[in-house]
Amino acid sequence: GDSVTQMEGPVTLSEEAFLTINCTYTATGYPSLFWYVQYPGEGLQLLLKATKADDKGSNKGFEATYRKETTSFHLEKGSVQVSDSAVYFCALSGSYSGAGSYQLTFGKGTKLSVIP
Amino acid sequence: EAGVVQSPRYKIIEKKQPVAFWCNPISGHNTLYWYRQNLGQGPELLIRYENEEAVDDSQLPKDRFSAERLKGVDSTLKIQPAELGDSAVYLCASTLAGEQFFGPGTRLTVL
Repeated sequence: GDSVTQMEGPVTLSEEAFLTINCTYTATGYPSLFWYVQYPGEGLQLLLKATKADDKGSNKGFEATYRKETTSFHLEKGSVQVSDSAVYFCALSGSYSGAGSYQLTFGKGTKLSVIP
Repeated sequence: EAGVVQSPRYKIIEKKQPVAFWCNPISGHNTLYWYRQNLGQGPELLIRYENEEAVDDSQLPKDRFSAERLKGVDSTLKIQPAELGDSAVYLCASTLAGEQFFGPGTRLTVL
């Protein structure tokens, strides 16, 4: 079945450091790929997505490129801020569930802490 | 626009007790999901509704878990009786087409 593997956390960075969170996936067909972010005490929010190979999703300075040849969707940000401290989840939707909805498979999450 | 609303936010119960969680999706969203998120893990789907119909409940432990979505709007997830291993965050999400919007979750602790 579908699966997502993320790098183990927690990750601690100083403000303005470069961030990479690795994500690889296993899926049949052509899944869409997502990064969700969960701030403390809040629900998951969609950060960015890519729906086909070589697409680049970007939002709030974060970006990730859908690499089919390496089955990867690594999250990057050039300069992190304290406000980026959160848990980041990589996810894929490979199974169309009907009525425009897709079933999501999530990774385990990577906790990021950014210190001033 | 209001987001997905869940209550309660926190619940502590003793094992073998019943518990219920409530979710009100974003207005107009036909599809509603319940997920369970164990500590240090990503969310895992329990059940999906299309309007009032449960169309995917293959991951719902039916011996103790039940859910309903009367009138195809808000939904209730129940556990009876609760076990220690049910301690987790229970997330509700809804969608109209495409992106899933998540509520803040209910953190359940079973003692």
